[in-house]
Amino acid sequence: QVQLKESGPGLVQPSQTLSLTCTVAGFSLTSYNVHWVRQPPGKGLEWMGVIWNTGGTRYNSALKSRLSISKDTSKSQVFLKMNSLQTEDTATYYCARDNYFDYWGQGVMVTVSS
Amino acid sequence: DIQMTQSPPSLSASLGDKVTITCQASQNINKYIAWYQQKPGKAPRLLIRYTSTLESGTPSRFSGSGSGRDYSFSISNVESEDIASYYCLQYVNLPFTFGSGTKLEIK
Repeated sequence: QVQLKESGPGLVQPSQTLSLTCTVAGFSLTSYNVHWVRQPPGKGLEWMGVIWNTGGTRYNSALKSRLSISKDTSKSQVFLKMNSLQTEDTATYYCARDNYFDYWGQGVMVTVSS
Repeated sequence: DIQMTQSPPSLSASLGDKVTITCQASQNINKYIAWYQQKPGKAPRLLIRYTSTLESGTPSRFSGSGSGRDYSFSISNVESEDIASYYCLQYVNLPFTFGSGTKLEIK
């Protein structure tokens, strides 16, 4: 069945780089787009960016200078890297499939703190 | 960017009530709106896509409608398991944008 699962560090120091992995199962990254969405504690959802099935990417302009999304199709993994982290980047980070987010990962909580 | 204005921010309903949430887009989104349910500590769950298409497993008491800039999401016969936050999403144009959410509570 379709599954997505995020993994990565739970704690990142300010100004450092966040690296997250979304490992998928039950579908091919050559057939589906994968998006990243984040949610600060107690707040709403923010679209961060997408990697298309073709490998192209698009980013939220508010994050564009800090964000990079890539993938390894053979390993069924999508990667998020975001640099210069600040406390306001503390959030649960989700990966989600396709353009209406029909399947989501469980999320990974990332705290930015020294 | 398309702004999604969602209201109300919170709702208090009795079991069996019908409740309605609205989302207004800042421009025509051609019915490319989805609705999600999120329970505390969980990922959002897709309930409805393309305005009114129920996802497999979505109970029939959930419904969606609208066109142009104005959309609504309803739950008829609210049940205790419907306690959650609900979000709309426009996915016609990047950046995709969410409404600010509606928290449903039971009286």
